[in-house]
Amino acid sequence: AQKITQTQPGMFVQEKEAVTLDCTYDTSDPSYGLFWYKQPSSGEMIFLIYQGSYDQQNATEGRYSLNFQKARKSANLVISASQLGDSAMYFCAMREFGTGNQFYFGTGTSLTVIP
Amino acid sequence: EAQVTQNPRYLITVTGKKLTVTCSQNMNHEYMSWYRQDPGLGLRQIYYSMNVEVTDKGDVPEGYKVSRKEKRNFPLILESPSPNQTSLYFCASSLSSAGRRGTEAFFGQGTRLTVV
Repeated sequence: AQKITQTQPGMFVQEKEAVTLDCTYDTSDPSYGLFWYKQPSSGEMIFLIYQGSYDQQNATEGRYSLNFQKARKSANLVISASQLGDSAMYFCAMREFGTGNQFYFGTGTSLTVIP
Repeated sequence: EAQVTQNPRYLITVTGKKLTVTCSQNMNHEYMSWYRQDPGLGLRQIYYSMNVEVTDKGDVPEGYKVSRKEKRNFPLILESPSPNQTSLYFCASSLSSAGRRGTEAFFGQGTRLTVV
């Protein structure tokens, strides 16, 4: 089974609007972390936001927030007030701290912000 | 400046010619890993290392070797490259501490490898 599933290969959003990028995960490890990364066309991987499995509140970092629904095993990224510079590939990732400490990445969602 | 450095950034080689992609980090991270990125497949882990002299296979280890003789370096070796290893490769490092902020992966700039 896939550890991380991103079902939206491509998304479009109007500038200044909010957008949600979906991510579901699969683990039986009670201790894990969820991460989102941005990959612009230049290719580098930029860390955006982290959510721990024991964190009570949803993580926020500026215009980025993580909608963490533990029972549904989902960790959606919400970008508010989209900007043209948000156009990029976005990857969801999980790290299982109790079993091997590996990272697992999804297949990514390509976001295009329309002026 | 905290960073992960990969070299080379771009490489074109011929089938069967051994090559090494170097990776070095200056953050004293225990954990290092290699990924390949292919369109539609996301990042797939090749090998990872929890510390010096400790390496393990990831999801796609065939055709690759690694070594971790020093904490800062984690080279990726292709003994006999084939065209299906044409890809974008990333090295990453992170702390091993469990369950807290600061355990994100720090990525190198990537190496675009073409095998003809």
